[in-house]
Amino acid sequence: SAVISQKPSRDICQRGTSLTIQCQVDSQVTMMFWYRQQPGQSLTLIATANQGSEATYESGFVIDKFPISRPNLTFSTLTVSNMSPEDSSIYLCSVKRLGGANTEAFFGQGTRLTVV
Amino acid sequence: LAKTTQPISMDSYEGQEVNITCSHNNIATNDYITWYQQFPSQGPRFIIQGYKTKVTNEVASLFIPADRKSSTLSLPRVSLSDTAVYYCLVGGAGYGGSQGNLIFGKGTKLSVKP
Repeated sequence: SAVISQKPSRDICQRGTSLTIQCQVDSQVTMMFWYRQQPGQSLTLIATANQGSEATYESGFVIDKFPISRPNLTFSTLTVSNMSPEDSSIYLCSVKRLGGANTEAFFGQGTRLTVV
Repeated sequence: LAKTTQPISMDSYEGQEVNITCSHNNIATNDYITWYQQFPSQGPRFIIQGYKTKVTNEVASLFIPADRKSSTLSLPRVSLSDTAVYYCLVGGAGYGGSQGNLIFGKGTKLSVKP
């Protein structure tokens, strides 16, 4: 298994500001992902955090709005930039180890963001 | 990516067996079927994974027919604490994404009543 620590667990931010969310894993993992989940809805993948290189973003998400870092195999950050109320959501970090045909993914508890 | 279709919601009572079916008509040869459970204010949690026939663990069973175009998650004797959203995901070694990411559908909201 993998234990994921996300910080902060929640925050209330003013529009126009930025928030950086941290994801720390207790062991080295191959893959790290960032998801967004709006209230009552499913998870939407934002991007894959790549170690030592630029993240791979899904359609509808761009680096200027959601810059991501992954300096090593156990840590990543997601920044929500120039926030608006529409960015209010839960942001989740997820990790996987590659091995065998398939491996399960582990998720953090999420960061509940409210933009006012 | 193989698209999945699940019931939006299901109701059950404590002690009953619950079966949630997921349709995935376009499943590819190298795709696996994986189910996750999510409680409110928590991240999803892996339940079970299978490729064909039947898989059972301490939490659930997964039934996959020969054509693999659907799968059924079976939860034996549910309790109130099984109230959650259950997601069916289909994909290969990367769970459908080119880089190993998970693509979530809408999920099934299971409500267990006393």
